[in-house]
Amino acid sequence: DAKTTQPTSMDCAEGRAANLPCNHSTISGNEYVYWYRQIHSQGPQYIIHGLKNNETNEMASLIITEDRKSSTLILPHATLRDTAVYYCIVRAYNTGGFKTIFGAGTRLFVKA
Amino acid sequence: NAGVTQTPKFRVLKTGQSMTLLCAQDMNHEYMYWYRQDPGMGLRLIHYSVGEGTTAKGEVPDGYNVSRLKKQNFLLGLESAAPSQTSVYFCASSYSFEEREWGEQYFGPGTRLTVT
Repeated sequence: DAKTTQPTSMDCAEGRAANLPCNHSTISGNEYVYWYRQIHSQGPQYIIHGLKNNETNEMASLIITEDRKSSTLILPHATLRDTAVYYCIVRAYNTGGFKTIFGAGTRLFVKA
Repeated sequence: NAGVTQTPKFRVLKTGQSMTLLCAQDMNHEYMYWYRQDPGMGLRLIHYSVGEGTTAKGEVPDGYNVSRLKKQNFLLGLESAAPSQTSVYFCASSYSFEEREWGEQYFGPGTRLTVT
């Protein structure tokens, strides 16, 4: 699976959009980009995933560059409850096994 | 639906003791996973299962065993606990790739284990 690179931490003002970048320059054609978040001491929570096209759901938007080497997770109106660690993961199913690498993620602080 | 539940929530073991962590899901998911999370680090996959009666090794399987005798349950065993196994353990489940695009894993609340 491709490796991902994320900033260690970011700040965002409450009510503003939070834009979390992820670099995955070694991504291959059949690998999806997934985002999860983990609020303190809880289990990770799925946010969104995509392959090529931009995706949007009730939680967030995912923008994937045309060359698929990077992506951005957008929380359109961040709230204090969005303070969490956000993980960008690149995955493809293969019969060789699941070696999901969550990495250290980006710690997002939403400030009032 | 309860989703993914884990038992126990907390446990303290002495070095050399054994224990079993139980994970249960009520979503009829084919795939189940066990992760560990250490301070300041992301999650690391210990073992996983792609169906009842099957298990496979993940990134950090040493010192752990697993069993999936029933589709809804996934057990993680520590035969001889070591201080290095002090961690928070998360169980997760998901649909199979054939049913839906893999990705949306549902996580349990975690088990905090301390080995002294």
